[in-house]
Amino acid sequence: GQVVQSGDEVKKPGASVKVSCKASGYSFSSYGMSWVRQAPGQGLEWMAWISGLNGRSQHAQKFQGRVTMSTDTSTNIATMELRSLTSDDTAVYYCARRSPLGLDVWGQGTTVIVSS
Amino acid sequence: EIVLTQSPGTLSLSPGERATLSCGASQSVAGNFLAWYQHKPGQAPSLLIHSASKRATDVPDRFSASGSGTNFTLTITRLEPEDFAVYYCQQYSSLLYTFGQGTKVEIK
Repeated sequence: GQVVQSGDEVKKPGASVKVSCKASGYSFSSYGMSWVRQAPGQGLEWMAWISGLNGRSQHAQKFQGRVTMSTDTSTNIATMELRSLTSDDTAVYYCARRSPLGLDVWGQGTTVIVSS
Repeated sequence: EIVLTQSPGTLSLSPGERATLSCGASQSVAGNFLAWYQHKPGQAPSLLIHSASKRATDVPDRFSASGSGTNFTLTITRLEPEDFAVYYCQQYSSLLYTFGQGTKVEIK
């Protein structure tokens, strides 16, 4: 399996960003997709996941009200939208396939820079 | 939320030496759904270990892991040059996943 992410983004404070993950080489509905980010100089931070089967999702409490996940099973794409961006959201965002083995297939990363 | 605490923060070792990394959980990790990842600069993280002790596909057998409940360990028996990286534990037993803060294994 493979996960290919959307391109790098530069956003202004207060804007929104979408990070998309295109899955290939496996059954999209048999797995979920998760998003993990790494801010500069920081560790990995789990953000959210969504089921590829039924669209059920969960997100970390700190993103409550700011994050929305969706899937398009016709194109095998999962998307995470993060709103009301601040400089603290500057990070590399990763998509990773959610499986019974953990996060077993990772995308290449999407750099999001939030700057005025 | 299950909080994972990794120790030490940094491990300074020479190639050929043994590395022992620890991961402690604030509450029991049900089903031992605990994974370890290797993360190198400029690359995506990669899954090393799942289910607390099972090597992922193509992971060399110098990587081993053990543990259950709240205490988990990753061991690298003989460090190779390509093993110097940051290692994270992560629990996926709860619907809300969490990562440890990472252990950096650096060349001494």
